Amino acid sequence: RKEVEQDPGPFNVPEGATVAFNCTYSNSASQSFFWYRQDCRKEPKLLMSVYSSGNEDGRFTAQLNRASQYISLLIRDSKLSDSATYLCVVNTGRRALTFGSGTRLQVQP
Amino acid sequence: DARVTQTPRHKVTEMGQEVTMRCQPILGHNTVFWYRQTMMQGLELLAYFRNRAPLDDSGMPKDRFSAEMPDATLATLKIQPSEPRDSAVYFCASGLVSLGGAGNQPQHFGDGTRLSIL
Repeated sequence: RKEVEQDPGPFNVPEGATVAFNCTYSNSASQSFFWYRQDCRKEPKLLMSVYSSGNEDGRFTAQLNRASQYISLLIRDSKLSDSATYLCVVNTGRRALTFGSGTRLQVQP
Repeated sequence: DARVTQTPRHKVTEMGQEVTMRCQPILGHNTVFWYRQTMMQGLELLAYFRNRAPLDDSGMPKDRFSAEMPDATLATLKIQPSEPRDSAVYFCASGLVSLGGAGNQPQHFGDGTRLSIL
């Protein structure tokens, strides 16, 4: 089983839609969690950290469920510019951050 | 904004040649990471350094890859001899990590080196 698993997608949604991605992790001792965004042929960029109580940044909401060992990212009012690959990232404390393979989002006009 | 700087941005060379990729981490960051990304494998950690000391290079093929950090402003990743299967994008990232964890702060990535081995 992979340490971090994501649905590769693609998720094709119309502009203005709400879309959610989940990511599961295998190590219950994982300590910190992030969502990164990667555009085609570009470097990954931090989108947001994920806090235990859940957190929101504009149209983006991140949630952590330690009991079920997953994190989620919700995007409201999708924009064309949200089209990208979203990487789930987990720190187990044992090695450096572990990246999921990513979920591809395509927002269509 | 401070950025991680990688050189070269692109490299095309023939198999068997030595390839050296360089990275300048963000000033003040104490941890440097090397990743490789391909369509098939996604983002793989090759090696990382904390305070210039190598902490983990288990993701790196030891026979041909080597990673060093000669000073706080420069990290290098070398492949010798290179092979076509090494073709990928190589990212360097830096971060600020406390003693207690290996990644409890987010990492900042460079633009990557796009390597093609013919």
